Amino acid sequence: DTEVTQTPKHLVMGMTNKKSLKCEQHMGHRAMYWYKQKAKKPPELMFVYSYEKLSINESVPSRFSPECPNSSLLNLHLHALQPEDSALYLCASSQGMGGDEKLFFGSGTQLSVL
Amino acid sequence: ILNVEQSPQSLHVQEGDSTNFTCSFPSSNFYALHWYRWETAKSPEALFVMTLNGDEKKKGRISATLNTKEGYSYLYIKGSQPEDSATYLCALVSGFKTIFGAGTRLFVKA
Repeated sequence: DTEVTQTPKHLVMGMTNKKSLKCEQHMGHRAMYWYKQKAKKPPELMFVYSYEKLSINESVPSRFSPECPNSSLLNLHLHALQPEDSALYLCASSQGMGGDEKLFFGSGTQLSVL
Repeated sequence: ILNVEQSPQSLHVQEGDSTNFTCSFPSSNFYALHWYRWETAKSPEALFVMTLNGDEKKKGRISATLNTKEGYSYLYIKGSQPEDSATYLCALVSGFKTIFGAGTRLFVKA
């Protein structure tokens, strides 16, 4: 199984809602990532987890809260988002955090904040 | 702030044409360079991971070269096919971060 599964595929939420994005992999990878991508822009790194611990937070606003409950799962909790947070959210995993480790991506959650 | 630049932004070619695109990156703090292929409605998939100056990698009709001293990588596609239509992303690995370019969107017309 070389898949990274993200749910939901699409999400529409209001600015007062609380929602969560989920990501799952069963490849035994120890590093997991959240990226945010707006149309025609590069995917931007948000968070990196290594061995279930948060190792990189790219100064992401606190309305985004990551969680790694176990080595296979990565969540992104959303609360009080703004319309400018509308984007494609991509999850990825890799065997480790070495630079020669390729990333395996999910197909993303397209988020719209109204 | 590390900046990864890709050119062109988009490219339209005819089936059978060979094509290439460029990825430029700061040569300091280099650890690795990745290329990914991203088809619409699918997940980005890794094509190549390159770490050494002068590296050349090949996968079928697609190949890539790396020059870490001058900070660029080229991706070549020989005899483009409609199924090659996708966005091609390059990514610089520096420290523990993987920083992406905005991609080159390739359209191959039959």
